[in-house]
Amino acid sequence: EPEVTQTPSHQVTQMGQEVILRCVPISNHLYFYWYRQILGQKVEFLVSFYNNEISEKSEIFDDQFSVERPDGSNFTLKIRSTKLEDSAMYFCASSDRRGALGELFFGEGSRLTVL
Amino acid sequence: RKEVEQDPGPFNVPEGATVAFNCTYSNSASQSFFWYRQDCRKEPKLLMSVYSSGNEDGRFTAQLNRASQYISLLIRDSKLSDSATYLCVVKNLSESASKIIFGSGTRLSIRP
Repeated sequence: EPEVTQTPSHQVTQMGQEVILRCVPISNHLYFYWYRQILGQKVEFLVSFYNNEISEKSEIFDDQFSVERPDGSNFTLKIRSTKLEDSAMYFCASSDRRGALGELFFGEGSRLTVL
Repeated sequence: RKEVEQDPGPFNVPEGATVAFNCTYSNSASQSFFWYRQDCRKEPKLLMSVYSSGNEDGRFTAQLNRASQYISLLIRDSKLSDSATYLCVVKNLSESASKIIFGSGTRLSIRP
């Protein structure tokens, strides 16, 4: 069964460092998303991406965040200067042409720990 | 009012019991509704979509009440493996894209 894959599974970084989280969405999917979940809290929408551009972003997704689809298969989330409060599980998700139905397929997540 | 609201639980029920929980949403323009399941420290996984007429998948029944703006999930003959957090997910169609909103989840614990 096709799946969304994410790397790394866990990254520990120092405050102020840049972090890049990588995702390989399901190959025929067109819509891509990043969500985050702080431990014990709800899954929060960060950004959606379609047709090589951001289609929507939340207020969490400020100037320190960026996304890119550099090569047609990877979908990356960059955090430029990490803060302690960025510590969370970051989930990548994708959905297919019927993405309007909203069925999301999630990767296993990348746990980010900022010290 | 929160966009999507769920009773956090935990619901602690014996194996074999029937359990139900609701989720309310605030935006009457919401179009699509889902239940996801999330195991501890794992990714959310789609459990079932919720259709206007209600739908059933084995022991799971989902219903939508547009007038009162809530969806429900009923689990019959609960199994130990049903222990998880159940996330209500609502899709609103904005001008530019679909925005998918997660509830905070309802924790369910099935005891032997």
